[in-house]
Amino acid sequence: DAGVTQSPTHLIKTRGQQVTLRCSPKSGHDTVSWYQQALGQGPQFIFQYYEEEERQRGNFPDRFSGHQFPNYSSELNVNALLLGDSALYLCASSLGAGAGETQYFGPGTRLLVL
Amino acid sequence: SQQGEEDPQALSIQEGENATMNCSYKTSINNLQWYRQNSGRGLVHLILIRSNEREKHSGRLRVTLDTSKESSSLLITASRAADTASYFCFSGGYNKLIFGAGTRLAVHP
Repeated sequence: DAGVTQSPTHLIKTRGQQVTLRCSPKSGHDTVSWYQQALGQGPQFIFQYYEEEERQRGNFPDRFSGHQFPNYSSELNVNALLLGDSALYLCASSLGAGAGETQYFGPGTRLLVL
Repeated sequence: SQQGEEDPQALSIQEGENATMNCSYKTSINNLQWYRQNSGRGLVHLILIRSNEREKHSGRLRVTLDTSKESSSLLITASRAADTASYFCFSGGYNKLIFGAGTRLAVHP
């Protein structure tokens, strides 16, 4: 049973560039949530995708966008990168969107913006 | 920041001792969950307690929930060195999905 996978594992970008992170959910899951975790902090909710639509969104600017594909995999796109976007980006999958279903996390993508 | 609050921020104990960490949240919830994270890797789900429950046990874990005080606690009994990690509470609300800032637990042999 494949768990949640994310790619790439590490990424280095420069300010102003754009980045795309990818996530494949746990088998059988249909909902993907994305989180940003700065060093020493808890994960902050970016958005959640269910049935190929953004269902919930946290307090992140429009530079952060996403997509969910028919196979439930998802992408997180960040445009016009800022130094402050450097963080661990975590993808979590669950069964059904809504009020806090149990989430299964991938290992994360560590993004460094120079 | 959307984060809930946890205390203590850091906890250092000896193997065999119990560890208690607390979480306060500020949204109406459907459930409260606890997760563990080792060394900046992905989070692992530990236990979920629903808003109509007051206490739940799973192995060495005991979690309590007080919705009137908007708080929860996680107790790890008979701690082991392998319990060394960061622990986060997660409040699953109807319009908000919020993690606390975490408690860093160090268990010394």
